[in-house]
Amino acid sequence: QQQVKQSPQSLIVQKGGISIINCAYENTAFDYFPWYQQFPGKGPALLIAIRPDVSEKKEGRFTISFNKSAKQFSLHIMDSQPGDSATYFCAASMGSGAGSYQLTFGKGTKLSVIP
Amino acid sequence: KAGVTQTPRYLIKTRGQQVTLSCSPISGHRSVSWYQQTPGQGLQFLFEYFSETQRNKGNFPGRFSGRQFSNSRSEMNVSTLELGDSALYLCASSWDFNGYTFGSGTRLTVV
Repeated sequence: QQQVKQSPQSLIVQKGGISIINCAYENTAFDYFPWYQQFPGKGPALLIAIRPDVSEKKEGRFTISFNKSAKQFSLHIMDSQPGDSATYFCAASMGSGAGSYQLTFGKGTKLSVIP
Repeated sequence: KAGVTQTPRYLIKTRGQQVTLSCSPISGHRSVSWYQQTPGQGLQFLFEYFSETQRNKGNFPGRFSGRQFSNSRSEMNVSTLELGDSALYLCASSWDFNGYTFGSGTRLTVV
């Protein structure tokens, strides 16, 4: 199975709060898990990424938590700001072992941060 | 440093026509991929090229084709356009796969 399931579809968070987006995958051959942020009229921009040998990665206000046994990973946005309002996509790739870096994307989460 | 450039930004075509979309990757990037983005299906993989060779192809009909040139620039072509081909077509490039950088896309509308 190539699917990556993402939830929730939409999320409303107050300024200063924590935004949490979850993803689950089936294919244990996936070995690269990026998160992308997309603003209207723009292409997705790489936010942060993790590989399965690490359980957590933090960059500024953004943290990925990875649970290999549960085949789940999540994005936490601390101190959420109105400027974070965008659509977020999780993705997964099998990497060089598969001879391709094809990304399989989740369906996206539309985040709205209200003042 | 210039990003991934896609041209044109917007395109309106009639059913049955064909269209060619262009992508100029970031300088030095040899890997280029194409994705289709629609509200219903989300982001779906079309093709992946590396050094002029198609490395992988997504589950799209043969009407969708692509190629990569020696300067890493890439084009994709859709023949016999259908209404369902209306979408945002995104190109992404990478040097060594420390993450793909996407362009802003070409918005194709088929009428």
